[in-house]
Amino acid sequence: KAGVTQTPRYLIKTRGQQVTLSCSPISGHRSVSWYQQTPGQGLQFLFEYFSETQRNKGNFPGRFSGRQFSNSRSEMNVSTLELGDSALYLCASSYELQLGSSYEQYFGPGTRLTVT
Amino acid sequence: QKEVEQNSGPLSVPEGAIASLNCTYSDRGSQSFFWYRQYSGKSPELIMFIYSNGDKEDGRFTAQLNKASQYVSLLIRDSQPSDSATYLCAVPERGNKLVFGAGTILRVKS
Repeated sequence: KAGVTQTPRYLIKTRGQQVTLSCSPISGHRSVSWYQQTPGQGLQFLFEYFSETQRNKGNFPGRFSGRQFSNSRSEMNVSTLELGDSALYLCASSYELQLGSSYEQYFGPGTRLTVT
Repeated sequence: QKEVEQNSGPLSVPEGAIASLNCTYSDRGSQSFFWYRQYSGKSPELIMFIYSNGDKEDGRFTAQLNKASQYVSLLIRDSQPSDSATYLCAVPERGNKLVFGAGTILRVKS
């Protein structure tokens, strides 16, 4: 079974620009979560989508947004980029047997975003 | 918000020894626990998960839960240089929202 895929793998943007990152979950997985990883803050939860609906949200400003499509693929968007947005953005997918319970999440390779 | 704490290390062990990694969590009601391994420059890889109903062994890895003291351990037997990585402990806060510890750096010396 193919793993979680993320595109692009690397991205360099300028302050003030916007960026869209894409994630394709493992086949059959309907939950997609996004995380930001930085050396200073570690891994932090951004949001989770399930069946095209945002189900959970972390403590990030409204510049960070996402969506999920009917095929479970997900995108996240960051508008008005700041230097502090430079990070590894990770997508994780999981398969839920029982709605609302916690299941194993599998990460994609990540997108390394550099804001200059 | 739930908190997960890990000693940042580095934890250095000789090849063939047992590496013991610990993680403490703040919410006594936590029911599941996940261990991820992350090599430098790579994404986290799920290596072990346990639920509140007991310990779990998978190959050289054993996860143990101490609910009374609110910590979960990961034991790596017969440690190999390839086990050198950062080990992240994660606890669900709500649904699939995982709260991660800062990670423990493990170095296995040959």
